[in-house]
Amino acid sequence: GAVVSQHPSRVICKSGTSVKIECRSLDFQATTMFWYRQFPKQSLMLMATSNEGSKATYEQGVEKDKFLINHASLTLSTLTVTSAHPEDSSFYICSATTLMGGVYNEQFFGPGTRLTVL
Amino acid sequence: GQNIDQPTEMTATEGAIVQINCTYQTSGFNGLFWYQQHAGEAPTFLSYNVLDGLEEKGRFSSFLSRSKGYSYLLLKELQMKDSASYLCASISGGYNKLIFGAGTRLAVHP
Repeated sequence: GAVVSQHPSRVICKSGTSVKIECRSLDFQATTMFWYRQFPKQSLMLMATSNEGSKATYEQGVEKDKFLINHASLTLSTLTVTSAHPEDSSFYICSATTLMGGVYNEQFFGPGTRLTVL
Repeated sequence: GQNIDQPTEMTATEGAIVQINCTYQTSGFNGLFWYQQHAGEAPTFLSYNVLDGLEEKGRFSSFLSRSKGYSYLLLKELQMKDSASYLCASISGGYNKLIFGAGTRLAVHP
């Protein structure tokens, strides 16, 4: 099956610093990647949809200047949390898919990144 | 708008059967998914229904009624390792956006 990796798996940073999270599709080319955030005991909330070579589409309520998304290649998307604060502490998960038409193309999830902001 | 409802928590006994319900109201419906998620891990795909009816896959089955906006996940012969959160998700839009419900935390006890 398709494999998606995330790096780092866990990061602790000081308030006010920026953190970059990488999402890679290892054995397929991902035309679209999605970024989710999950707080404890809550479900996944879609933050943004990222298409290779174009600007990300952010969900309502997600600050695009705070959560910078770059999808420069078909195998890599990055999420940068700028000026992180303790309330940004969360589990960040990416998924990747290749849109080939039809009703649905399966999303493959990365293992997640646990961000803790002190 | 998008709205997906499922129970917050359920408990069941090892070896039993449990049914987790999900109701949804989404625009541009393109299918209903069930995922399993263990704490601190990414979701893993369980099932996908786009047509009405029951899809069976081993110990797991999923049902969809589009007219009622209703789905359920049926888990048979429960095992302790089935203790996890089960996420109902609907897909909509041209970019296959997944909209997740809050998840149902299932606790299986001996």
